[in-house]
Amino acid sequence: EAGVAQSPRYKIIEKRQSVAFWCNPISGHATLYWYQQILGQGPKLLIQFQNNGVVDDSQLPKDRFSAERLKGVDSTLKIQPAKLEDSAVYLCASSPLRGPKNIQYFGAGTRLSVL
Amino acid sequence: GQQLNQSPQSMFIQEGEDVSMNCTSSSIFNTWLWYKQDPGEGPVLLIALYKAGELTSNGRLTAQFGITRKDSFLNISASIPSDVGIYFCAGLRHNDMRFGAGTRLTVKP
Repeated sequence: EAGVAQSPRYKIIEKRQSVAFWCNPISGHATLYWYQQILGQGPKLLIQFQNNGVVDDSQLPKDRFSAERLKGVDSTLKIQPAKLEDSAVYLCASSPLRGPKNIQYFGAGTRLSVL
Repeated sequence: GQQLNQSPQSMFIQEGEDVSMNCTSSSIFNTWLWYKQDPGEGPVLLIALYKAGELTSNGRLTAQFGITRKDSFLNISASIPSDVGIYFCAGLRHNDMRFGAGTRLTVKP
């Protein structure tokens, strides 16, 4: 079974530029998550989708971050414009179910450096 | 959002030693998870715990779901060099998952 696919693996941009990340979850997984992981910290949830609907985006900085999952499969996360403090690894995860056995499986992440 | 309190932050041990790390929270969780993250990779699930008091093993790894539902422990026995990495605890409640800050493990041959 293929895992969660993310691209690109690395991205370097200057502040105020725009950037987009792509995620393809495990086939059949209804729930998709985007996390931000700053160096030395655990992942922090940005947004959660159930199929193509948003379940939780309470921690997404909506003035600059946006995400979509139009067909309920793959997803894109965009930052516009980027700030220096957005430098982090952006992890995508997917899970098959809701409830206590809703185990999340992670992609390798996209490492963003904002200069 | 609330993060979990994970300790220790880092550990330097000799190959063959046993390791213990733990995670605590002021809130109750329904599921506790332990992940390992290697450099440049995403977290990989090691153990999942679903019931208070549950003790589960995966090879040399053993984890427990605390009775109070507010904590969990991970033990690694007879460490080897490939155990090096960052170990994260995660608590899951109502589809909301929170992570600890991680324990960075270094194993000296």
